[in-house]
Formats: sequence, structure tokens, C-alpha cells
Amino acid sequence: RKEVEQDPGPFNVPEGATVAFNCTYSNSASQSFFWYRQDCRKEPKLLMSVYSSGNEDGRFTAQLNRASQYISLLIRDSKLSDSATYLCVVNGGNNRLAFGKGNQVVVIP
Amino acid sequence: EAQVTQNPRYLITVTGKKLTVTCSQNMNHEYMSWYRQDPGLGLRQIYYSMNVEVTDKGDVPEGYKVSRKEKRNFPLILESPSPNQTSLYFCASSPNPTLAGGGDTQYFGPGTRLTVL
Repeated sequence: RKEVEQDPGPFNVPEGATVAFNCTYSNSASQSFFWYRQDCRKEPKLLMSVYSSGNEDGRFTAQLNRASQYISLLIRDSKLSDSATYLCVVNGGNNRLAFGKGNQVVVIP
Repeated sequence: EAQVTQNPRYLITVTGKKLTVTCSQNMNHEYMSWYRQDPGLGLRQIYYSMNVEVTDKGDVPEGYKVSRKEKRNFPLILESPSPNQTSLYFCASSPNPTLAGGGDTQYFGPGTRLTVL
């Protein structure tokens, strides 16, 4: 099983709709979880950390399910500017982070 | 402005010609790291450094070297580049080395697109 798995998509989302996707991780000892956003050919940027209690930042909501070892990201009221690849990132132990391949989101007018 | 810079941003070279990609951060971060990103493979860590003079291998260190003589700089060296090292490279830094792999934000440079012919 890969350290971090994501369905690459693409997820084609009508503008204004809600989109959600999950990311599974294999290391049950992982303590830190993040979602990063990456625009085409640009550097990844932190979107949000994922806390045990879940957290929300505007239209974005992240959840953690330790029992099933997955984190999720939900985007409400999708904007054209949300089109990007969303990278799931989990600490893999030994001072390193493990990155998923990303969920590609395309918001359609 | 707080940032991570990389140079060059684009490089086309030939097999076997030694090259160095520089990375510099002005945030006084202790942790620095190099990644490569390839289609279908995602971001993979090459090397990382917890502090000055402390470096460790990541997932794909073969064919690369690094050094950390100063806190702000973390150059990536390809002694004898080969075509399979054609990739998009990112340098990143993070403030807290004990959390960097475990819980602290990483700030990425703009990337270096390397082509080895």
C-alpha cells in the first residue's frame, strides 16, 4: 500500500457546486496532515492543516478519520479560481513528509 | 519579503555535465529540503537538512548531493546528470526542524525545470 493515495481525477465541477475528495494514508502513527494547493507548474502552497477535530476555512472544510486512516477536503460554492491540484500531505516519520499525487479539480463555468 | 529562491529556474544541459541548483531562504528556517516532481509520481523527497552541517537522504537520493554550510543556503548538486533526472525540482524550508517532518508548514521555492539531454 502506498504511503498516501489520492484519486487523481480530474474532478470536473460546475461553478457553484460542492466537491469533496479523500486521501488515504498507510502509516497509522502519522500525526500531522495537510492539504496543499498546486497550480499548474507552480510551487505547492499550504491550503490548510488538518486537525483531529476537523477544521474549516471559508469554503474549505477538512476532516480527519484516524480509524479509517483518511483525510478529506470539501470545497463549497466552487469558484473558477479553485481549479488546481490539491495535494494530500502526511508526515511519514523520520522527519519527512509524504505527498500524494494530488486531486485535480477543474471548475467549469 | 519572506521567500525561498531557486536558481536557475530553467536549465537544459547534457548528460555528464556537472550542475548545481541553488536554494536560498531568508526566513532563518532550520529545516530545508529538496523534492522532485514527475508526472504520475507526485513529489518525492531527495535530501533534507535539519540544520547547518546536518543532511539526510530522502526517498530518491541517488545521483544527487547536497551541502548545508550556512543556514540560508541548500544547494543541490548533480555530479553527472543523466536523462532520468529530467524533472521539476522544488526546494522547501520550514521553521521548526522537530516539527518539519511532523507538523510544520513547508514553504516552497518557485521550482527549477531541468532537462538533461
